[in-house]
Amino acid sequence: GQNIDQPTEMTATEGAIVQINCTYQTSGFNGLFWYQQHAGEAPTFLSYNVLDVLEEKGRFSSFLSRSKGYSYLLLKELQMKDSASYLCATNMNTGFQKLVFGTGTRLLVSP
Amino acid sequence: DVKVTQSSRYLVKRTGEKVFLECVQDMDHENMFWYRQDPGLGLRLIYFSYDVKMKEKGDIPEGYSVSREKKERFSLILESASTNQTSMYLCASRSQGASHEQYFGPGTRLTVT
Repeated sequence: GQNIDQPTEMTATEGAIVQINCTYQTSGFNGLFWYQQHAGEAPTFLSYNVLDVLEEKGRFSSFLSRSKGYSYLLLKELQMKDSASYLCATNMNTGFQKLVFGTGTRLLVSP
Repeated sequence: DVKVTQSSRYLVKRTGEKVFLECVQDMDHENMFWYRQDPGLGLRLIYFSYDVKMKEKGDIPEGYSVSREKKERFSLILESASTNQTSMYLCASRSQGASHEQYFGPGTRLTVT
């Protein structure tokens, strides 16, 4: 994706914790989204961050550092169904409401 | 619930054919988008529209055109399909506001032979 970097692939074990990192270009930044995409399906919304806080939603949390151009998605108590791609996307202050997506991190959860 | 629907889940077309991909959303969203998704390349924006009859090129508009005659409907047109346009095509819609999420349709897997 354009100026967005995230690892291509990660593996983890059921029940563990995994952190997926995302770095982005800070110029014109106006918020960051995380999406989950299972194979063959459409992306679905997980979280939105615009301030430097930790947003928690059940087993998933997302953190943002605007000054460092960095975000992470934290998945706790991993389950097999968490095997999916996780997409980081930034909202840029271009006047148009379009998102810039990273290429995604493919997470494989094993028993 | 927001719903974004696409006309086909799977489509097979021949090289040189004109292809129409239709997308409809039911939440009165101003913004609509067409992406293609290929392994290793992620989601790439083809075109988007922020209002009826308005369109803007995305990152990879070559070989594609779009039409938005009604607010709820956004069409992607491949004037003359080529094999390198074989891909997963995803439509999305979004309301105004930076914090608003983008909703995706189920996708159309297009194969051009």
